[in-house]
Parts: sequence; structure tokens; C-alpha cells
Amino acid sequence: EVQLVQSGAEVKKPGESLKISCKGSGYSFSNYWIAWVRQMPGKGLEWMGIIYPGDSDTRYSPSFQGQVTISADKSISTVSLQWSSLKASDTAMYYCTRYKEGGYNIEYWGQGTQVTVSS
Amino acid sequence: QTVVTQEPSLTVSPGGTVTLTCASSTGAVTSGYYPNWFQQKPGQPPRALIYSTSGKHSWTPARFSGSILGDKAALTLSGVQPEDEAEYYCLLYYGGAQRVFGGGTKLTVL
Repeated sequence: EVQLVQSGAEVKKPGESLKISCKGSGYSFSNYWIAWVRQMPGKGLEWMGIIYPGDSDTRYSPSFQGQVTISADKSISTVSLQWSSLKASDTAMYYCTRYKEGGYNIEYWGQGTQVTVSS
Repeated sequence: QTVVTQEPSLTVSPGGTVTLTCASSTGAVTSGYYPNWFQQKPGQPPRALIYSTSGKHSWTPARFSGSILGDKAALTLSGVQPEDEAEYYCLLYYGGAQRVFGGGTKLTVL
């Protein structure tokens, strides 16, 4: 059974750094693209970026380029999303998603990680 | 900036049929945009329903179908059930890192 298990909710202050994670299991982790999706409170879904764990090929949506960093550690089947300096506007639910073979279609979703940034 | 447009809200009666659409600001949506459709219920992560325009995942109920209608991607629900009340999102692929979600359609079953 394919599973994407995300790290727990975070409460941070503006300016702090943060790294959240997504651990894949039940499949060959290196061979499937994983993307991150943001959902701000009461709003729709926003596609942030994608990584291929096999070679860490990473691509960012123009809206998120330079704002976050996506990385992968094959040894622990984990993809991460990190911020160097959080803003209140980063408050959102973040989902990791696994693509089907080929990298065009999302198949599985993680349970989500709530990030709250408040002074 | 590329914008993907969906109907903000739709209402359907139980047992009825409804079609949700997904339009691109760049022009006609084709199969080359690999339209995906997702369902999200309150407090839950989204769930994938349709891939590559009309492909169904193993868990997708038969009453859901995807297609291209005119210049838009479409999701049709036939024989709507009360549990289909949810938010529905489409996702289009524009190449490389350019993938854009629609704004979502809130479907009410009434």
C-alpha cells in the first residue's frame, strides 16, 4: 500500500526557519516524482514544485521559486519542504503528492501538515 | 500569468447529472495538458479522481468521468450521490514546472 506520511503541525514566529517532511512507503521511492501543494486557509490549491528523488531533479512554480526549497533523501525515503525565513503569509496547509509514472498525473496525497506563522 | 478557471459553485439534485469544466487562459485545453481532477471534502486532503483527461484510479467511482468538451476539460458526475458534495479541483500541465490548479468548484447536492 502506497503511503505518504507527513510530519506534524508546526507553530512558528515570523523570521524563523522550518523544514517539514513527507515519508513515502509501499513503493520504489526513487522512481516517482513528488510535488508539494499549498492550501491557504479557506482557499484553493496551489502547486508549488516537484522533485524526482532518484536524482533530485527539482522544479519550482514561478510563484514559489526562491521562496522555498524542496529536497529529497533517498536513504530515508523522505522529501522535505523548507523555509529560511517564514512570513505570516506562509500560514497554510501543505500537502505532498506522489505522481504516477511519467510525472504528469497526481495519484496519492499525504495527510497534510499545518504550518502556522504568528508573532 | 496562467489562470485556470472553474465554475465557483454548482448545485445538483440527488440522482442527477452535472458537468464541471476547467478552462485555460492560454486557449483550448487538450489532452496534452493532462487534465487531472480532485475531490476535497472539508477537513480532508484532496483525493485524485481522474488523470490524463479520462483515466480513472482504482478507487474512482464509476459515476465519475472525464473528457474534453469543446475547449475545456470536463468532469461529469452521473447519478449524483449525497456523498459527492465536495469541492472539486482541476489541474493542468503546461510543461516543465508549470502546473496550475483551477480555483475549485463547490458542488452542492440538494
